[in-house]
Amino acid sequence: DAGVIQSPRHEVTEMGQEVTLRCKPISGHDYLFWYRQTMMRGLELLIYFNNNVPIDDSGMPEDRFSAKMPNASFSTLKIQPSEPRDSAVYFCASRRQVDTGELFFGEGSRLTVL
Amino acid sequence: KQEVTQIPAALSVPEGENLVLNCSFTDSAIYNLQWFRQDPGKGLTSLLLIQSSQREQTSGRLNASLDKSSGRSTLYIAASQPGDSATYLCAVILGGSQGNLIFGKGTKLSVKP
Repeated sequence: DAGVIQSPRHEVTEMGQEVTLRCKPISGHDYLFWYRQTMMRGLELLIYFNNNVPIDDSGMPEDRFSAKMPNASFSTLKIQPSEPRDSAVYFCASRRQVDTGELFFGEGSRLTVL
Repeated sequence: KQEVTQIPAALSVPEGENLVLNCSFTDSAIYNLQWFRQDPGKGLTSLLLIQSSQREQTSGRLNASLDKSSGRSTLYIAASQPGDSATYLCAVILGGSQGNLIFGKGTKLSVKP
């Protein structure tokens, strides 16, 4: 399997622009997670899905952030409008519900908002 | 609220030394605990996963232990090498197999040749 695939790897945009990050989880995984990582706050959970249904979105910072999972093989995280404080690395991760629950991460999308 | 703490935040050792990284968590009702490695500019790579019913897991030069009652886990690295330099994070799953992972902030390890 190719692992968790994220795009774009790097995104530089200006304040106020819309940003869309994409994720393809590992085939057969039931859970998909979106995390944000910064030096100050470390890894923070934004939202996670189980079988394409959002389970916990309490980590989504504000209404400017939204996430969707239209099918088992694709998810998006959208920021509209973007702000400089949104600059971070955004990770997508997936795992199976059964077995050990081992979590697998993508390489991340590094977002810079000017 | 579950909190995961990793001490120290940074560690520098000479090559060949055995070392221990620490992870503590406040709620002992965990489903499992996972150790990750993160290289600069990269994603997280899973190193070891310990189920709540287990006491330790080993992979090569790495050994992770779990003491649920005291809320602690350690990652032991034997005969450290410069290639081990990275940030090591631990994370716990709460709420059974349906739960989310709560991460510590990591220990940044530097192994000097």
